[in-house]
Amino acid sequence: KNQVEQSPQSLIILEGKNCTLQCNYTVSPFSNLRWYKQDTGRGPVSLTIMTFSENTKSNGRYTATLDADTKQSSLHITASQLSDSASYICVVISGGSYIPTFGRGTSLIVHP
Amino acid sequence: DAGITQSPRYKITETGRQVTLMCHQTWSHSYMFWYRQDLGHGLRLIYYSAAADITDKGEVPDGYVVSRSKTENFPLTLESATRSQTSVYFCATTGLYSNQPQHFGDGTRLSIL
Repeated sequence: KNQVEQSPQSLIILEGKNCTLQCNYTVSPFSNLRWYKQDTGRGPVSLTIMTFSENTKSNGRYTATLDADTKQSSLHITASQLSDSASYICVVISGGSYIPTFGRGTSLIVHP
Repeated sequence: DAGITQSPRYKITETGRQVTLMCHQTWSHSYMFWYRQDLGHGLRLIYYSAAADITDKGEVPDGYVVSRSKTENFPLTLESATRSQTSVYFCATTGLYSNQPQHFGDGTRLSIL
C-alpha cells in the first residue's frame, strides 16, 4: 500500500529560526513529490513539485530536497516568519496516474 | 484567487438528508477532485474526474455521488448523510500533465447532526 509519513507531527520554533520537515514515502511507481502549505481554514497551496531527476527546488525561503534512492524528502524553511505558521503537507503522485497519496502533515507554529 | 470556488463554505444538516456541495472552476482544467479532511487523517480522495462525463472512484467513495456534465462544475452529493460524513471537503483542479500542481478551493465545512 502506498504511504507517506511525515515528521515531526508538530513543531514550535521562534521567529527568525530555521527548521526542517521530513517526509518518507513508499509510493511506487514514483512520478513526483509535492509540498503544500495549508493555512488554518484555507485549502492547501502548492510550494514545490519535484520529479525523479530533481534533487532540490526552492520557492523563496522554502527549499525542498528529494532523495529518490532512499525515498525521502525534506522541506527547509529559512528565517521563519509568523506567517509560516501552518500545516505542511507532503504529497506523492504515482507514476502514470494523477492519484495522490497525502501525508498527515506537520503543524508548524512560529512564535514571536 | 477566484479560479476555484466552493459553496457553501459552511453547512449544517441532519442525518438522512441529501446535501450537495458545489465546486466551480474558471481555468478549464481537465482534472477535478473531491477530498475530505479529518483530524488524524491526511486528505483522502473521494472521487475524481478526468473530463466532462468521466468520473472515477477514489479511496473513500461510499455514500457519495458525483457528476460532471460541464468542465467547470463538479458537484458532490451525499445522498443520505451520516454523522461519519462530518468533515471538511475540498475540491481541487489540475491540468493535463501529472507534474502540474493541484489548485484547491477553501473547503466546505459540513456538520451532520
